[in-house]
Amino acid sequence: EVQLVESGGGLVQPGGSLRLSCAASGFTFSSYWMSWVRQAPGKGLEWVANIKPDGSETYYVDSARGRFTISRDNAKNSLYLQMNSLRAEDTAVFYCAREGRPGRPGWSDPWGQGTLVIVSS
Amino acid sequence: DIVMTQSPDSLAVSLGERATINCRSSQSVFYSSNNKDYLAWYQQKSGQPPKLLIYWASTRESGVPDRFSGSRSGTDFNLTISSLQAEDVAVYYCQQYNRTPYTFGQGTRLEIK
Repeated sequence: EVQLVESGGGLVQPGGSLRLSCAASGFTFSSYWMSWVRQAPGKGLEWVANIKPDGSETYYVDSARGRFTISRDNAKNSLYLQMNSLRAEDTAVFYCAREGRPGRPGWSDPWGQGTLVIVSS
Repeated sequence: DIVMTQSPDSLAVSLGERATINCRSSQSVFYSSNNKDYLAWYQQKSGQPPKLLIYWASTRESGVPDRFSGSRSGTDFNLTISSLQAEDVAVYYCQQYNRTPYTFGQGTRLEIK
């Protein structure tokens, strides 16, 4: 069974940092593009970033570029999101998702259950 | 960035009736090299992560009931539920994955009338 389990969320002060992790299982992790998508409380979905299977390419939404860094460790079947200079508007549930087909970016499926990040003093 | 606009924002449909949600992209999401529209539809039930329903605008994901269908008309995309069931109450999102940043529509809340 394909499974994605996020961790690392929590309460952090404005300007602080947090590192999210996503543990993948049930598929060949090193073959897939992976994404982070977030959802502010009561709001819609916002794609944050994605990363190529070998980690050589990364892409970000403007609001995340320069503050967030997506990375992966294929030996550990894990995806990460390092978030720095956090702002109140970054408060959201962060989802990890597998993309498309092996080697190709695309739609998000499946999704993890999400981890909640709250940025507040 | 490609802006995805859904309509309506909310929709109430009687059980057994048809529900149609529209999604319009500000730019083409069609890729001529493979003749595909890079458009997906997701269903999100309360307290759950989104679930993929449709990709390539009209390809139903494995296990998704055939009452769900996707189509394109010009630059507009539609998600149609042919006969609404109680378990279809959810928020539905379209997403383009043609160009980063991938962008979602604002969501359409579907309820039972």
